[in-house]
Amino acid sequence: RKEVEQDPGPFNVPEGATVAFNCTYSNSASQSFFWYRQDCRKEPKLLMSVYSSGNEDGRFTAQLNRASQYISLLIRDSKLSDSATYLCVARRAGGGADGLTFGKGTHLIIQP
Amino acid sequence: NAGVTQTPKFQVLKTGQSMTLQCAQDMNHEYMSWYRQDPGMGLRLIHYSVGAGITDQGEVPNGYNVSRSTTEDFPLRLLSAAPSQTSVYFCASSYGRGLGAGELFFGEGSRLTVL
Repeated sequence: RKEVEQDPGPFNVPEGATVAFNCTYSNSASQSFFWYRQDCRKEPKLLMSVYSSGNEDGRFTAQLNRASQYISLLIRDSKLSDSATYLCVARRAGGGADGLTFGKGTHLIIQP
Repeated sequence: NAGVTQTPKFQVLKTGQSMTLQCAQDMNHEYMSWYRQDPGMGLRLIHYSVGAGITDQGEVPNGYNVSRSTTEDFPLRLLSAAPSQTSVYFCASSYGRGLGAGELFFGEGSRLTVL
C-alpha cells in the first residue's frame, strides 16, 4: 500500500462550485500534514499546513481525520485560478526532509 | 527576495556526461534537499542535508552526489548521466526539524534531458 494516496483526477468543476478531495495515509505515526499547490510546469508551493484537526484559510479548509487516516481539502467558491495539481504531504514524527512523504497529486480543472 | 535559486533551468546531456545542478537559498534554512519529479511517480527525495557539512541519502540516491560546504549552497552532481535520469529536479529548503520541517520552499526546477 502506498504511504500517501490521492485520487489523480482530473476533477472538472464549474467556476463558483465547491470541490473537495481526500488524501489517505498509511503511516499512523504521521504527525503533521501539508497541502501544496503545483501549477503546470512550475514548482510546488505551500498552500496550507495542518498540525491538529484542521485549518482554514479563506476559501480553503483542510480537515484531518486521524481515526480514518485521511486529510481532506475543501475549496469553496472555486476560481479559474484554482486550476492546478494539489499535492498532499505527510510528515512522520521527528522527521525532517527525510520524513516527508508526497502523494502523487490531484489534478483540478475549474471550468468557466 | 530570491528564496531558492536553481540553475540551470534547462539542460540536455548525452549519456555518460557529468554535470552539476546548482542550488542556493538566502533564508538561512538548515534543511536543504533535492527531489526529482517524474510523470506518475510524484516527488522523490534524492539527497538531503540537515546543515553545512552533513548530507544523507534519500529514496533514490544512486547516480547522484551532493555536498554542503555552506549553509546557502547545495549542489547536485550527476556523475555519469543516464537516460533514466531524465526528469525535473527541484531543490527545496526548510527551517529544519519540528513542525516547520514540512514547510518547504522550492526552487523553480531544472528540466534535464539525457539522450
